[in-house]
Order: sequence, then structure tokens, then C-alpha cells
Amino acid sequence: DTEVTQTPKHLVMGMTNKKSLKCEQHMGHRAMYWYKQKAKKPPELMFVYSYEKLSINESVPSRFSPECPNSSLLNLHLHALQPEDSALYLCASSQDGGGANTGELFFGEGSRLTVL
Amino acid sequence: AQRVTQPEKLLSVFKGAPVELKCNYSYSGSPELFWYVQYSRQRLQLLLRHISRESIKGFTADLNKGETSFHLKKPFAQEEDSAMYYCALSGSARQLTFGSGTQLTVLP
Repeated sequence: DTEVTQTPKHLVMGMTNKKSLKCEQHMGHRAMYWYKQKAKKPPELMFVYSYEKLSINESVPSRFSPECPNSSLLNLHLHALQPEDSALYLCASSQDGGGANTGELFFGEGSRLTVL
Repeated sequence: AQRVTQPEKLLSVFKGAPVELKCNYSYSGSPELFWYVQYSRQRLQLLLRHISRESIKGFTADLNKGETSFHLKKPFAQEEDSAMYYCALSGSARQLTFGSGTQLTVLP
């Protein structure tokens, strides 16, 4: 299996809802990432997990809460989001040889989030 | 800080014409540079990376450290090359920074 799988593909939620995005990979990769992509913009890094530990948090608001239950899974818990948080949320994974460089990232198809 | 600049938001060429997508970067250390591509309705995927020094789908890119550039080139564009292309830099601490992207359209 050489894919990163994200669920759900689409999510609509109100500002008071609590929901989660899920990401799964079975390539043995030890680094996993969350990116946010607005329409016609590049992906923006949100979080990086390396060996199941949070290694980068790009000053993301606390209404986004990442979780890495094991080396294959990555969740993004959402609570009290704002309409401007509507975007495509991309999950990615990479080998992570322990060096600074990321190497090749494998991306999922994304979860398209709409906040009403 | 690391930064990637792609000066062209849109680029149109005719089929069979050469194409060059420009990318400049700013980073004080030794970066790793990539080109990622996103075809319509497909996931973002790696096209090539500078350390591989290989040609993928006829595309090549050479890292020029003096000019801090990593331009993507193809001598004869095909219609199936139409896509969004992102130049990306990996420097410190596993951060992959993307440029703003260039939408390439290859006209018949």
C-alpha cells in the first residue's frame, strides 16, 4: 500500500461542532504532516509529527488539535472553528531518516472542510 | 527563514514548445529542492528532486546555488503537462516550504 488515505473527503460543520479528520498510511513512514490549503494557494504547514511526537507546530490556533495515536495514524481534532478555517486539509507522510530534510512527501487527497 | 518564490502565477505555451517554470529560493544552509505537481482532480505528488538529478516525464531541473534558483524545464511541452506546479524547499527541522505555484497550460 503506497497511499495516504484521508477521511472524510468532505466535511461541513457549524462553529460549535466538534469533528475530527483522519489520516492513515501503511508505508512505514515515521513522519506525518498536516497542511492547510486554501483555493489557488500553496499548502501551508500546520503540524509535523516525527516518530509519533509533535516536532513542529506552526503557531496554529488551539481550535486545531493534532493527535498521533500510532505510527500509521494521524488525526486532526476540530473544535469551535471559524468560517475562515474552511479549506482543504492535506495529510502527508515521509520516511524521516532523522535528518533535517524531509525527503519526498506522499500526500493524501485531502479533506475539504466547510465551516458554516 | 526559508522562502521560495515562483514569479509566474500563470504560464501558457503551445504544444511542442519549450517550457521553463522559474523558482528562486532563500535559505542560508544547504537546502533540498523539489518540484511537486498537482494535476486536475489528483493529489499533490512529487515530480522530481534535485539530489536525484534525473529526468521525469521529460522535465529536468538544475540547482544553481550561485543564483539560488531551481528552474523546471522541458524542451517540448505536451497537453498532459497542464497542471499546477509547486517548487518546494526542505531546510531546517523537516519543514517543507512551498512556493506560490505556477499554473501551466499547454495549448493544442
